[in-house]
Amino acid sequence: AQSVSQHNHHVILSEAASLELGCNYSYGGTVNLFWYVQYPGQHLQLLLKYFSGDPLVKGIKGFEAEFIKSKFSFNLRKPSVQWSDTAEYFCAVTPTDSWGKLQFGAGTQVVVTP
Amino acid sequence: EAGVVQSPRYKIIEKKQPVAFWCNPISGHNTLYWYRQNLGQGPELLIRYENEEAVDDSQLPKDRFSAERLKGVDSTLKIQPAELGDSAVYLCASSFRRTYNEQFFGPGTRLTVL
Repeated sequence: AQSVSQHNHHVILSEAASLELGCNYSYGGTVNLFWYVQYPGQHLQLLLKYFSGDPLVKGIKGFEAEFIKSKFSFNLRKPSVQWSDTAEYFCAVTPTDSWGKLQFGAGTQVVVTP
Repeated sequence: EAGVVQSPRYKIIEKKQPVAFWCNPISGHNTLYWYRQNLGQGPELLIRYENEEAVDDSQLPKDRFSAERLKGVDSTLKIQPAELGDSAVYLCASSFRRTYNEQFFGPGTRLTVL
């Protein structure tokens, strides 16, 4: 069975620091990859997605993610975080032949201090 | 554009009681998903509908859970009877079929079973 692993459950950092969240998945076939974000009191929102093509994808609010197929990884990055980036971040994967069946990681709670 | 609507937002019940959750997807989205999110974990798919047909209910505990999507628009998820372990957030999501992997989530219903 496929699985998604997020390396950190909690991350605390200061404003202007760089952020990188790790995500690895286990599935041998072709996948679609996603990062979702949940701000405090809000619903899950799509941050960025990878379907094919350039493995470096850019999302909203200055986030980007890099797909490294050989490492089964899809790490999320932001060069300089803001207090408003405090949220929970979820990596999600779906095989391209498993129509809409998203498999989520456990999430990483990110707290940005002023 | 209105997002995915769910009600109620919070529900507290005693074990063995029935409970129902309602979801209205984004207008025009013919694919609807129900997820369960346990504390500290990512969402897990319970059931997926294409219009009014349940096309993937392999993760739905059918002894106590049921769902319906009459007329292929809004949907109801029911638990009868509820158990302590059912305490979780129940999320509804929807998508267009042609972009089936881009799912839009509702705010969820937080269920507490006492």
